[in-house]
Amino acid sequence: EVQLLQSGGGLIQPGGSLRLSCAASGFSFSNYAMSWVRQAPGKGLQWVSGISGSGGNTHHADSVKGRFTVSRDNSKNTLLLQMNSLRAEDTATYYCAKDDIRFGWAFDIWGQGTTVIVSA
Amino acid sequence: EIVLTQSPGTLSLSPGERATLSCRASQSVSSTYFAWYQQKPGQAPRLLIYGASSRAAGIPDRFSGSGSGTDFTLTISRLEPEDFAVYYCQQYAGSPRTFGQGTKLEIK
Repeated sequence: EVQLLQSGGGLIQPGGSLRLSCAASGFSFSNYAMSWVRQAPGKGLQWVSGISGSGGNTHHADSVKGRFTVSRDNSKNTLLLQMNSLRAEDTATYYCAKDDIRFGWAFDIWGQGTTVIVSA
Repeated sequence: EIVLTQSPGTLSLSPGERATLSCRASQSVSSTYFAWYQQKPGQAPRLLIYGASSRAAGIPDRFSGSGSGTDFTLTISRLEPEDFAVYYCQQYAGSPRTFGQGTKLEIK
């Protein structure tokens, strides 16, 4: 079964750091680009970061550039998001998602989501 | 950044009725890189339509997508109770990839 299982998240103070993980199974992980998408409480979806299959190319939304770093460990089929200098506006549910060029780079598989709350 | 504007914000219909959801882009978007998602409360989004008009695996044929350029439409031909949810459009013709603000489809 194709699956993305997320871990990490929680309550963190402003200025703090947190790392999210996303473990992939059921597909050839290194063959696919991956992304992080977030959803603030009661709001819509926002793409945050993306990474190529090899890990050699990464992209971040302007709102997180310089604070968040996406990476991957293809030997462990794991996607990571290192979040530093967290702000209240980063409070959201974070989803990892599989990119697929066959679907015009749409996100065909999603993780279950993990909640990040940035608050003093 | 390409801005996607969805309308209406909320659509109130009854089971069995036809639903038409719209998404307008601030600039032309290649149909190849246009998608629709469904999200139910407490769940991750689910891919419905990719390439503007192709159904994703396992999606019933009552869901259809159309459009090109700046105007795209998601149609649900006959609403089933499980179709009441929030729907998002998304583009990847330009970076960053962006989503619409969502249309909530609620039971009338």
